[in-house]
Amino acid sequence: NAGVTQTPKFQVLKTGQSMTLQCAQDMNHNSMYWYRQDPGMGLRLIYYSASEGTTDKGEVPNGYNVSRLNKREFSLRLESAAPSQTSVYFCASSEAAGANEKLFFGSGTQLSVL
Amino acid sequence: AQSVTQLDSQVPVFEEAPVELRCNYSSSVSVYLFWYVQYPNQGLQLLLKYLSGSTLVKGINGFEAEFNKSQTSFHLRKPSVHISDTAEYFCAVSKGDSSYKLIFGSGTRLLVRP
Repeated sequence: NAGVTQTPKFQVLKTGQSMTLQCAQDMNHNSMYWYRQDPGMGLRLIYYSASEGTTDKGEVPNGYNVSRLNKREFSLRLESAAPSQTSVYFCASSEAAGANEKLFFGSGTQLSVL
Repeated sequence: AQSVTQLDSQVPVFEEAPVELRCNYSSSVSVYLFWYVQYPNQGLQLLLKYLSGSTLVKGINGFEAEFNKSQTSFHLRKPSVHISDTAEYFCAVSKGDSSYKLIFGSGTRLLVRP
């Protein structure tokens, strides 16, 4: 019962470095999401993919890019990391993109940018 | 814009005591309402959701929530908490037709003491 798997779990970057966060789901879900979680702010949507082959910006997309590699995988890339991107990142998936959908979350990636 | 308010950032309670976690949302239109729970070092998981019908919704682990349209509230309750309920709880609201329009509150940390 893997569900949503994220790698890595922890990462420390220097300002200006790049990295890619990986996410894969094994539930045959159509929709996938990337959120960031900051203290006192809840979760904010960075990018989403309503279905394979499509990606769209969420609430806070600046400084990030995404790739929906196939139906299973949805990666998040930081091209030039900044301290403001220090956060916990969560990948999620849902069967479809309806408003009543249940989201399934990965266990998160804790990213520190120095 | 849609918003979700969780007034209490932290709620300490003794084991076996009742608890209520408050959630208010701003919307005059029909919404879908969710409570997600995040246990330490884990991703979020769905606790319960309100889509329509009965205003009292029962979820997993003995939690329930009541939708109050006139007060635009969706408070979460449990009559007797356990140590294992220690976690962060997020209220979320979805308006419209898409899962990517889900708005999360800032979270309430429930701390259950022996």
